[in-house]
Amino acid sequence: GAGVSQSPRYKVTKRGQDVALRCDPISGHVSLYWYRQALGQGPEFLTYFNYEAQQDKSGLPNDRFSAERPEGSISTLTIQRTEQRDSAMYRCASSLAGFNTEAFFGQGTRLTVV
Amino acid sequence: GENVEQHPSTLSVQEGDSAVIKCTYSDSASNYFPWYKQELGKGPQLIIDIRSNVGEKKDQRIAVTLNKTAKHFSLHITETQPEDSAVYFCAASGGNSGGSNYKLTFGKGTLLTVNP
Repeated sequence: GAGVSQSPRYKVTKRGQDVALRCDPISGHVSLYWYRQALGQGPEFLTYFNYEAQQDKSGLPNDRFSAERPEGSISTLTIQRTEQRDSAMYRCASSLAGFNTEAFFGQGTRLTVV
Repeated sequence: GENVEQHPSTLSVQEGDSAVIKCTYSDSASNYFPWYKQELGKGPQLIIDIRSNVGEKKDQRIAVTLNKTAKHFSLHITETQPEDSAVYFCAASGGNSGGSNYKLTFGKGTLLTVNP
């Protein structure tokens, strides 16, 4: 079966441009998470959705970052006015339920801001 | 919030030897501790997890132990094989810090190399 799918796999953008990263979770998974992973580090939590409701966005670095999951399935992470410090691997994960259940990660989107 | 420390950052072993990776956590209320394996170019994949109501869990060559009193947990891989080479991450969730039981806090990872 299909796992968590993220697109694009790689994105190079110029500083100041907006980018949208897409996540297609495993079918039937209620919970969806976005993490950011710097080189040589573990993933860091950005935001969490339960169905279409954004339950926690405490990890979003600033108001240039936003996420949505309008129909409780596909999610989009948007970064406005990108800066070089936004360069990282952005990973999406999904799970059947949010409470301490196995989270399945996608392959990620490598964002490079030049 | 929760803080997870992981050691060592790199580990090199000979094929057939055992490997041990250790993690400590700060939030005594954390109750779920997964371990992820990340191969080059791929996303983290869960290999084993343990909940706070048990002290040890085993799955073939992989085992995890949890000491709630000391707030540390360890991954043990026996009879290592070259295909075990990867970055391993520990994580914790379910604690009171930040008020969530879904948010995983990861360690910084251990690069395990198994030499043939």
